[in-house]
Amino acid sequence: SQKIEQNSEALNIQEGKTATLTCNYTNYSPAYLQWYRQDPGRGPVFLLLIRENEKEKRKERLKVTFDTTLKQSLFHITASQPADSATYLCALLTSGTYKYIFGTGTRLKVLA
Amino acid sequence: GAGVSQSPSNKVTEKGKDVELRCDPISGHTALYWYRQSLGQGLEFLIYFQGNSAPDKSGLPSDRFSAERTGGSVSTLTIQRTQQEDSAVYLCASSLLTGGGELFFGEGSRLTVL
Repeated sequence: SQKIEQNSEALNIQEGKTATLTCNYTNYSPAYLQWYRQDPGRGPVFLLLIRENEKEKRKERLKVTFDTTLKQSLFHITASQPADSATYLCALLTSGTYKYIFGTGTRLKVLA
Repeated sequence: GAGVSQSPSNKVTEKGKDVELRCDPISGHTALYWYRQSLGQGLEFLIYFQGNSAPDKSGLPSDRFSAERTGGSVSTLTIQRTQQEDSAVYLCASSLLTGGGELFFGEGSRLTVL
């Protein structure tokens, strides 16, 4: 069956460290993979998109990698800050479709 | 407005009543999505619109759920004869592109069925 898995456990890290979040998928061939941030009581906000033929994408303190062999994406936040505390969601879109499939999200807490 | 607007932000209803949730997407965005998010869960795809047409309604949980979009803009999600398991946050998103574009989400409509 098709699955997208993100760490259901919350991730606590110390301010200034790099946070690494994982998104694993099975039985999908995504053309695009996106990462979103969701704060409590708010809608998700788009952060980064990476295509199937891209290995890595960066934006300021954010970095996303995409390994289609391992069927995994890693999302890194460098020099993390307490303001980065939120739930982070990955979403897949397969080629020729319009349906974004979301993972359940990982809650990140950056400790001051 | 500049963003996706959803109303009501909160709705409490009694089991068996009908509810309507409204989404006003970003102007010019032809793609519109409805998702449902239950407490502590991920986003469950409900339906997608390209313009006024919905190519795939298979994400709607039952025939009590329906959605329409008019004028390529505002969309309404209707839930008839609400059940307690319908309680969730209903999120709307719009996108400029059909595939690959980023989704712009509204703040959601929180539905509580007593």
